[in-house]
Amino acid sequence: DGGITQSPKYLFRKEGQNVTLSCEQNLNHDAMYWYRQDPGQGLRLIYYSQIVNDFQKGDIAEGYSVSREKKESFPLTVTSAQKNPTAFYLCASSIAGSGAPLHFGNGTRLTVT
Amino acid sequence: GIQVEQSPPDLILQEGANSTLRCNFSDSVNNLQWFHQNPWGQLINLFYIPSGTKQNGRLSATTVATERYSLLYISSSQTTDSGVYFCAVPLAYNNNDMRFGAGTRLTVKP
Repeated sequence: DGGITQSPKYLFRKEGQNVTLSCEQNLNHDAMYWYRQDPGQGLRLIYYSQIVNDFQKGDIAEGYSVSREKKESFPLTVTSAQKNPTAFYLCASSIAGSGAPLHFGNGTRLTVT
Repeated sequence: GIQVEQSPPDLILQEGANSTLRCNFSDSVNNLQWFHQNPWGQLINLFYIPSGTKQNGRLSATTVATERYSLLYISSSQTTDSGVYFCAVPLAYNNNDMRFGAGTRLTVKP
């Protein structure tokens, strides 16, 4: 079955630690995205990548970093510089080009204490 | 950037009732998508509908691009329809940065 796999489902970290969230897709999509969702709110774009070895910042990139070394993988690192990292993180992918439908993974709930 | 407003913010229905959710956007778009987020957080793409009308079972969507709004219709609602419905449009024309509305939280009671 094709799809997007995010791991882990739940993640707990101490303040001051960096943490990396995994996102893998086998849909052969060129574009991948990371969104953040806070309780009761919509989704906000952190980073997106249209092609391997290239990515662009979204609205709330500060305190986050990404890499795109393989087409299938787009890991997100939440660094200690992110002031409020506790949130629900969603990875998505789409075919190349604007206007393509987004397909989401099941998300990772990150709690930082 | 483009503004996206969804209404109503909350909706409670009895099973079997029909409903209409609205998405208004502030600028021209070439891409509009509706999503359903279930109570476990999973987001499902319901429609890709930059213009016109589409139907999928009990759900249908209409986008009137010239008037900058889209409607999502749910007929004969079921408890499994509960969750949050989001619409999303590009930040700018021909852009892959999708802006999400705040969502409509739907609760369907048995």
